[in-house]
Amino acid sequence: DIQMTQFPSSLSASVGDRVTITCRASQSISTYLNWYQQKPGKAPKLLIYAASSLQSGVPSRFSGSGSGTDFTLTITSLQPEDFATYYCQQSYSTPLYTFGQGTKLEIK
Amino acid sequence: EVQLVDSGGSVVRPGGSLRLSCVVSGFTFDDYDMSWVRQAPGKGLEWVSSINWNGDNTGYADSVKGRFTISRDNAKNSLYLQMNSLRAEDTALYHCARDNEGIAPGTFDMWGQGTMVTVSS
Repeated sequence: DIQMTQFPSSLSASVGDRVTITCRASQSISTYLNWYQQKPGKAPKLLIYAASSLQSGVPSRFSGSGSGTDFTLTITSLQPEDFATYYCQQSYSTPLYTFGQGTKLEIK
Repeated sequence: EVQLVDSGGSVVRPGGSLRLSCVVSGFTFDDYDMSWVRQAPGKGLEWVSSINWNGDNTGYADSVKGRFTISRDNAKNSLYLQMNSLRAEDTALYHCARDNEGIAPGTFDMWGQGTMVTVSS
């Protein structure tokens, strides 16, 4: 099975900051990597698919990069509504998918 | 408007069974593969099971294989998860999710609000 490891597990930042979250796969997954945002009490929301493609309606301050085993989600100029938990998910081993353990982004 | 409405969750004793449902609207159901994803209280997301558009290909996480069965009824725009031999560790909020292969396979672009399953004696 493909394991996904995210780091850091939590992160404190201020409005206006640039933050980067990393996700590492236990084997190469090409660019079969998605990023989701989840706020308390809400369903996850797709942000980035295929490692770097922005989902329709998602602000351009969100971006993704990487291929193979190492991926990053970057948020430039953090907004108050961006404080949430972020998950990566591999879709290489269809239909056996796995998520990272999540990164909680908190206000400093 | 695309909607996925999960239902069927409840409190059940260890060893018991439960059937979850997800009724969708706002899109052509049989154009999409579907999945169930769960989240234990205070924990992260865990993929549970997936089914292709016509139901002839399914996949399961090792943690539920042999106990859970995913199915769908395209005529009723409905997805199901039959859960047997339930364990305490199955306690979670269960979401159905749409797999949009049109943008990338295994990409969950729409989610239900979730239905809570609690396994407790």
